[in-house]
Amino acid sequence: KAGVTQTPRYLIKTRGQQVTLSCSPISGHRSVSWYQQTPGQGLQFLFEYFSETQRNKGNFPGRFSGRQFSNSRSEMNVSTLELGDSALYLCASSFASGGSQRSFGPGTRLTVL
Amino acid sequence: KNEVEQSPQNLTAQEGEFITINCSYSVGISALHWLQQHPGGGIVSLFMLSSGKKKHGRLIATINIQEKHSSLHITASHPRDSAVYICAVSEGTGNQFYFGTGTSLTVIP
Repeated sequence: KAGVTQTPRYLIKTRGQQVTLSCSPISGHRSVSWYQQTPGQGLQFLFEYFSETQRNKGNFPGRFSGRQFSNSRSEMNVSTLELGDSALYLCASSFASGGSQRSFGPGTRLTVL
Repeated sequence: KNEVEQSPQNLTAQEGEFITINCSYSVGISALHWLQQHPGGGIVSLFMLSSGKKKHGRLIATINIQEKHSSLHITASHPRDSAVYICAVSEGTGNQFYFGTGTSLTVIP
């Protein structure tokens, strides 16, 4: 069974631009969650989608948004990029939302110049 | 305020040693997760538990709900166990997900 895939794996953008990251979950998983990892803040929860609906949201500004499609694939968008948005963005999938065991993707490393 | 606290922050062990990593949390949880992250970023979910104890190979995870504490044990440690181990909790109904700061483990041959 294929694992969670994320594209692109690496991305370089400049301040003020926007970026869209993609996550394809394990087949049969309906929940996709997104996380940001930085050296200073560690891992932080961004949001979780289940059946195309945002179920949970972390403490991030509105520049961070996401959506989920009917095939459970999810995208995350960051608008008006700031230097501090440079991070590893991870997504994870699970059968259900909430406390289910997650399978993580390899991450997208975003660098904002 | 950190909802999840881990200790120690760094740990160096000799190959073969028994290792314990501790995690304390301050919120009501639906589940606690132990994750492993190797250099390069990939994260593997080791355990998800809401009560008692789970074992997988040389890894054992325990949780005490009343004390809001969990431990991850590695028996007969090996250099390939060198990684960052992260404790995370799903809060209550699962509306939030909080991470500890991680424990960086180095196992020396």
